[in-house]
Amino acid sequence: KAGVTQTPRYLIKTRGQQVTLSCSPISGHRSVSWYQQTPGQGLQFLFEYFSETQRNKGNFPGRFSGRQFSNSRSEMNVSTLELGDSALYLCASSLGASDETQYFGPGTRLLVL
Amino acid sequence: GDSVTQMEGPVTLSEEAFLTINCTYTATGYPSLFWYVQYPGEGLQLLLKATKADDKGSNKGFEATYRKETTSFHLEKGSVQVSDSAVYFCALPRDTGRRALTFGSGTRLQVQP
Repeated sequence: KAGVTQTPRYLIKTRGQQVTLSCSPISGHRSVSWYQQTPGQGLQFLFEYFSETQRNKGNFPGRFSGRQFSNSRSEMNVSTLELGDSALYLCASSLGASDETQYFGPGTRLLVL
Repeated sequence: GDSVTQMEGPVTLSEEAFLTINCTYTATGYPSLFWYVQYPGEGLQLLLKATKADDKGSNKGFEATYRKETTSFHLEKGSVQVSDSAVYFCALPRDTGRRALTFGSGTRLQVQP
């Protein structure tokens, strides 16, 4: 099976712009979670989607949003980018239901100038 | 929410040395526990997991035992290789019954030839 894929892998934006990141989960996986990784804060949970519904949300401002499509693919959007949004954004998928195990993609590295 | 604490790094070892990376957790109930590894420039890879007390997870020579009495899940390997150089993360679900994970701060392992 193909693993979790994320596009794009690298992105450079300027402050004030918005960005959309995409994630395709492992085939058959219905849950997609997003995480932000920075040197200062480590790995922080953003949100989780399951069957097109947001099931869980971390402590991030409303500028961070996401959605999930009927084929389980997910996108996350960050509006009005700030320098502090520079990070590695990781997507993880899991089967859902009773299986908690999450499998991660390679990440999208976002640099905000 | 549940939380995890792991030892600070970096840990520097010579090839074939014994490795221990400590991880302790705080949780209500008995959550699944995970170790993930991150190689430079990559996303997280699931290394091993344990779903109940006294379970031992193992993979690629790495082992960790779920110790309820000491609330620990220490990672061990009998003989490390240069290729094991990476950052290791201990993790557990943020809340009981949830899939979203909370991670330790990560421990960087450097193995010298």
